[in-house]
Amino acid sequence: QSVLTQPPSVSAAPGQKVTISCSGSSSNIGSHYVSWYRQLPGTAPKLLIYENNKRPSGIPDRFSGSKSGTSATLGITGLQTGDEADYYCGTWDTSLSAGWVFGGGTKLTVL
Amino acid sequence: QVTLRESGPALVRPTQTLTLTCTFSGFSLSTNKMCVNWVRQPPGKALEWLARIDWDDDKYYSTSLKTRLTVSKDTSKNQVVLTMTNMDPVDTATYYCARIVAGPDYFDYWGQGTLVTVSS
Repeated sequence: QSVLTQPPSVSAAPGQKVTISCSGSSSNIGSHYVSWYRQLPGTAPKLLIYENNKRPSGIPDRFSGSKSGTSATLGITGLQTGDEADYYCGTWDTSLSAGWVFGGGTKLTVL
Repeated sequence: QVTLRESGPALVRPTQTLTLTCTFSGFSLSTNKMCVNWVRQPPGKALEWLARIDWDDDKYYSTSLKTRLTVSKDTSKNQVVLTMTNMDPVDTATYYCARIVAGPDYFDYWGQGTLVTVSS
């Protein structure tokens, strides 16, 4: 069971918008930056969003991130079939012992 | 250009010790704020963070696995080594190494991963 909670799956039609939530606690999301990663089948994860809402170069502005309190959200607009992937949130956690934590992942299906 | 590459055995027997090496280029682990992590992913399951080693030799381990893990670095070879003792079939996974820059703390570069199967 992951420390960060994500919905197992989300779906939407091409061209539509989808959001993926990531819920944590004061020891992780509440006090550290959140980043998001996309993982296509059979490949390594790739950074999508860092420091809650910043995009690395090469990531289109269809992808956005936000954070409020102990929750974070990834937004994807103008959905494309190529967006079908698993999405993970992650952050540092300073509870009992410091360490990185990931969400359980969300499978995005573009119908 | 930053690259990371994992290497190690594809098959490990139960109770054996796994040793994985991450060989990287494009940065130095003696540079301030540079960190290398290990992350694994069992087939069809989520990412799980395992360990991290920092430029100043600070080390962090997953609470649930810390008794079995050791991470070390060889700065001159640009390598980070992870050992995991007492391997079990549930440890079958793709193991990734990935870089973090301390402070903002996000994984900006990942290796391609190496699949390790634990089976007798």
